Amino acid sequence: ELKVEQNPLFLSMQEGKNYTIYCNYSTTSDRLYWYRQDPGKSLESLFVLLSNGAVKQEGRLMASLDTKARLSTLHITAAVHDLSATYFCAVDLNQFYFGTGTSLTVIP
Amino acid sequence: EAEVAQSPRYKITEKSQAVAFWCDPISGHATLYWYRQILGQGPELLVQFQDESVVDDSQLPKDRFSAERLKGVDSTLKIQPAELGDSAMYLCASSSRHRRAFFGQGTRLTVV
Repeated sequence: ELKVEQNPLFLSMQEGKNYTIYCNYSTTSDRLYWYRQDPGKSLESLFVLLSNGAVKQEGRLMASLDTKARLSTLHITAAVHDLSATYFCAVDLNQFYFGTGTSLTVIP
Repeated sequence: EAEVAQSPRYKITEKSQAVAFWCDPISGHATLYWYRQILGQGPELLVQFQDESVVDDSQLPKDRFSAERLKGVDSTLKIQPAELGDSAMYLCASSSRHRRAFFGQGTRLTVV
């Protein structure tokens, strides 16, 4: 059974700081997605990573995929309060297997 | 921008009653998913359709849950009878052959 683990589960960071969220998965896949979820809301697609070495950036967020290490990272640069949300990675193996989620709180 | 439509947004039902959720995927998306998300956890797949056919329903509690997508477009998820443990957010998503999934706003179910 595929396991998708994220760490940390909870992250509290100050505005302006940098941090990285990690997503490890237990079987081979070259398709990985990052989603954002605000409290009580649905999931918003952030990034689609479709090959080893893929890197995507949007604003203060940058995602990368290392399929050999079975690792994806979501890097936050100079955090702002609006980034507070829960972030999920999801591995595509004919269905989407979601990670445990990382709850991010950015403190002014 | 095209969206996945779900209704209702919120549903409160008594234990042992029947409840149904509806989903209209983005036009042209052949794949439709129903996920259940318990508070504080990631979504878990209940059922996946490719057009009108079920691709994966291995995690669907078939004694009480049913799902259909009769014409390969919109879909209905039903629970009968509802149990307290069914309280969760039910999310519908759709994707094209390129497989980027887009999610609807979800239905938050509370069973009392």
